[in-house]
Amino acid sequence: GENVEQHPSTLSVQEGDSAVIKCTYSDSASNYFPWYKQELGKRPQLIIDIRSNVGEKKDQRIAVTLNKTAKHFSLHITETQPEDSAVYFCAASWGDYKLSFGAGTTVTVRA
Amino acid sequence: DSGVTQTPKHLITATGQRVTLRCSPRSGDLSVYWYQQSLDQGLQFLIQYYNGEERAKGNILERFSAQQFPDLHSELNLSSLELGDSALYFCASSVSSGHTDTQYFGPGTRLTVL
Repeated sequence: GENVEQHPSTLSVQEGDSAVIKCTYSDSASNYFPWYKQELGKRPQLIIDIRSNVGEKKDQRIAVTLNKTAKHFSLHITETQPEDSAVYFCAASWGDYKLSFGAGTTVTVRA
Repeated sequence: DSGVTQTPKHLITATGQRVTLRCSPRSGDLSVYWYQQSLDQGLQFLIQYYNGEERAKGNILERFSAQQFPDLHSELNLSSLELGDSALYFCASSVSSGHTDTQYFGPGTRLTVL
C-alpha cells in the first residue's frame, strides 16, 4: 500500500507568519493529493487538493505544491490567523479507490 | 455541516461486546468510506462501499465488518471489542467510487471500550 509521511508533527507560528507542512509518498502511481483540516473535536474537512498533472494550486492564503519526481508535496499557509490552528492531514491516492493519510500536523498560531 | 450523518455520537461499551455504527451519506453520494482515528495512528482507511457493493478494503480487522444498504446508508459492525478499539470512527461519502472524488466526512462516532 501507499506510505505517506508527514512533517513536522507539530508547528507553532506567530500570527501573520507562514506555515509549511511537507509530505512524501511512496507509490509513484499516486495521482491525487488532498489536504484536510481538522479542528478540535470536529470532522476533517477538505481545504485544497491537487492532481498529478498540476505542479501548484492556490486558494487565497493556501497553496499546495507537488513534485512528482521527488514524490513530495507541501501545504503553504500564508498570513496565518488564529483560526488556522488545527490538525492538518495530507493524503495520497493508491490503487483505484483508496486514500492513505499522513499522521497529521498540529498547527498552533500564536497571537 | 457536510451533509453526512453518523449515529450515535458517543458509545461506551465493555470488552467482548459488539456494536453497530451507522452512517448516512450526503444526498446523491453513492460511495461510503469508513475510517478509524486513534491518537497514535491518525486516520486509517478501513473499507469502502459503492452503491451497495464492497469496493476497497484497507486495514480492517476480521472482527469488523460493514455493509451498505439499498438506501445507501452504511453500518460498521465491530465485534469482540478490545480496549485498543477505542477510537473515533468516521464515515465519509463521495459522489462516485474514484479516489479523486472529494470525500465529505461525517461528525464521527467516539467509541470507548472499557
